[in-house]
Amino acid sequence: QVQLVQSGAEVRKPGASVKVSCKASGYTFTNYAMHWVRQAPGQRLEWMGWINAGNGDTKQSQKFQDRVTITRDTSASTAYMEVSSLRSEDTAVYYCARGIFGVARDAFDIWGQGTKVTVSS
Amino acid sequence: DIVMTQSPDSLAVSLGERATINCKSSQSVLYSSNNKNYLAWYQQKPGQPPKLLIYWASTRESGVPDRFSGSGSGTDFTLTISSLQAEDVAVYYCQQYYNTSLTFGGGTKVEIK
Repeated sequence: QVQLVQSGAEVRKPGASVKVSCKASGYTFTNYAMHWVRQAPGQRLEWMGWINAGNGDTKQSQKFQDRVTITRDTSASTAYMEVSSLRSEDTAVYYCARGIFGVARDAFDIWGQGTKVTVSS
Repeated sequence: DIVMTQSPDSLAVSLGERATINCKSSQSVLYSSNNKNYLAWYQQKPGQPPKLLIYWASTRESGVPDRFSGSGSGTDFTLTISSLQAEDVAVYYCQQYYNTSLTFGGGTKVEIK
């Protein structure tokens, strides 16, 4: 079946980086976009950016432009998101989500299970 | 960014009764060239990722029960659960994809009265 499986929970100190992976299965990885969305405790869902899994084009939310890098490995059907210069406010559950339409203006039909990232000194 | 505002923040509905959730966007999400509203609805249960219910404001995702329906256009949208079931207890979010800076509403928590 179509699914996205993310890497496990991470704990980092402020100023460090974290890289989360998202392995796709059950569909042709390069035919769809992959988006990243986070959910901080008690906060609304927040879109962070996306990658066109076919050609590798990326776009980040302006809020995260300087700190988020999204990549993919087509041979492994895996997308990655790295967040640098972590601060306590980055403590959240991070989700990858498949875009229905494969473009920047997208809705999300398949979600990963989420990766909890805790930033604490 | 387009700001999405949901109301109410929470509501309690009796089993079998109707639940109505509202979502308002700070600018229109109706794209005139194709007459489509770039608006989706999700359901999120505790400890789970969101699940897509509705896209294009009123198109039900495959496998979603027909008691869920979406309506509205431009800046005002509604998600209706026609007959609330116990398994519908969740937080519901709207999301706009009109603007490439995608944004979500703050969520509406639905509980059983």
